[in-house]
Amino acid sequence: QSALTQPPSASGSPGQSVAISCTGTSSDIGGYNYVSWYQQHPGKAPKLMIYEVSKRPSGVPDRFSGSKSGNTASLTVSGLQAEDEAEYYCSSYASSNNWVFGGGTKLTVL
Amino acid sequence: QVQLAESGGGVVQPGRSLRLSCAASGFIFSNYGMHWVRQAPGKGLEWVALIRLDGSDKYYADSVRGRFTISRDNSKSTLYLQMDSLRAEDTAMYYCARRDAYSAFDYWGQGTLVTVSS
Repeated sequence: QSALTQPPSASGSPGQSVAISCTGTSSDIGGYNYVSWYQQHPGKAPKLMIYEVSKRPSGVPDRFSGSKSGNTASLTVSGLQAEDEAEYYCSSYASSNNWVFGGGTKLTVL
Repeated sequence: QVQLAESGGGVVQPGRSLRLSCAASGFIFSNYGMHWVRQAPGKGLEWVALIRLDGSDKYYADSVRGRFTISRDNSKSTLYLQMDSLRAEDTAMYYCARRDAYSAFDYWGQGTLVTVSS
């Protein structure tokens, strides 16, 4: 199963909004509404930020939002804050009990 | 609160075996499917395996099928990953993660590092 495609980097100034894309195929993102996003700070475990395309777990700020169109999902971070600087990974269920991740996007807060 | 704690990592020679454990607490372990996910140094995340609630169904990534075996002991709230015929490319941090109802990985352990090297 091929990895999902994410841009290697993204950036924005504090208070701005930034969107991170995640492109897959009709066998993963396009075929299911089971897209999730994870935040990972250096040396730490990933943390779930978005599940089922656009839902936020309890405790995740509403500055984080998710969407999907066709085979591409997006994570938008609004009102950027310094603590948002991290690596972000998308993931999708990919049929036959397989899961696939994106290569990760390094978000820099300028 | 939900806690997952991996152990068992270390340095191992190519072709040898290693067994990882993941001790769970703070939730009813037998009510959840559990995953292993790995991350090679400086690289992205890679799904490795899933085991369902009672351990009857197990699923693997192509890269580890036939070499790795996922299992669980619900009486001990512990998840395992038996890794045989290890290769250099299996070098990674190995995380256990809980599967939520929406096919997301909702809680993660801190990981255990496996290094395959002669």
